[in-house]
Amino acid sequence: EVQLVESGGGLVQPGRSLRLSCTASGFTFGDYAMSWVRQAPGKGLEWVGFIRSQAYGGTAECAASVKGRFTISRDDSKSIAYLQMNSLKTEDTAVYYCIRGMADYWGQGTLVTVSS
Amino acid sequence: QPVLTQSSSASASLGSSVKLTCTLSSGHSSYIIAWHQQQPGKAPRYLMKLEGSGSYNKGSGVPDRFSGSSSGADRYLTISNLQSEDEADYYCETWDSYTVVFGGGTKVTVL
Repeated sequence: EVQLVESGGGLVQPGRSLRLSCTASGFTFGDYAMSWVRQAPGKGLEWVGFIRSQAYGGTAECAASVKGRFTISRDDSKSIAYLQMNSLKTEDTAVYYCIRGMADYWGQGTLVTVSS
Repeated sequence: QPVLTQSSSASASLGSSVKLTCTLSSGHSSYIIAWHQQQPGKAPRYLMKLEGSGSYNKGSGVPDRFSGSSSGADRYLTISNLQSEDEADYYCETWDSYTVVFGGGTKVTVL
């Protein structure tokens, strides 16, 4: 059974950093791209970024709204994808989900609240 | 990059059918999309991937009541025999080599 478990969310002050983890199980993690999507309170889904599998270079892409502040990485030996969030803003407050590939399995999400 | 357009809301009676539309922007009519369901207070759930040909591939455990179809730049999700648990937000998604895009979502109300 495919499982994705996000962790690392919490309350953080503006300008600070936070690292989210997505721990995967039930599939060969290294074979898949991994994506991050967020949802601000009462809003729709917003793509944050993805990281390609090593077969496709292992490189990452991020949305314009977070480019230069957020970084995505992966550790295939541990089946974990990371979202490093720096220079956090109040508008980054959201539930953050990880997804396998572009679509087919979602984690349960982790809430990030950016507030002073 | 592609843009996806969805109606903000739809409603239908219990046991009837509802057809949701997701429209791809000009120049992107051949794109594959995915449909996702988000029930209140829950994480989104993948429903299916849908090609421009109308061929679709549903996720594990998705009921037969959910089906997809396509016409030009329009991608459809049809829910037949509507149940109370189908009351949810439905999002379409597409992607290319460098970006992922979500539609604004359609809120489905079961009357």
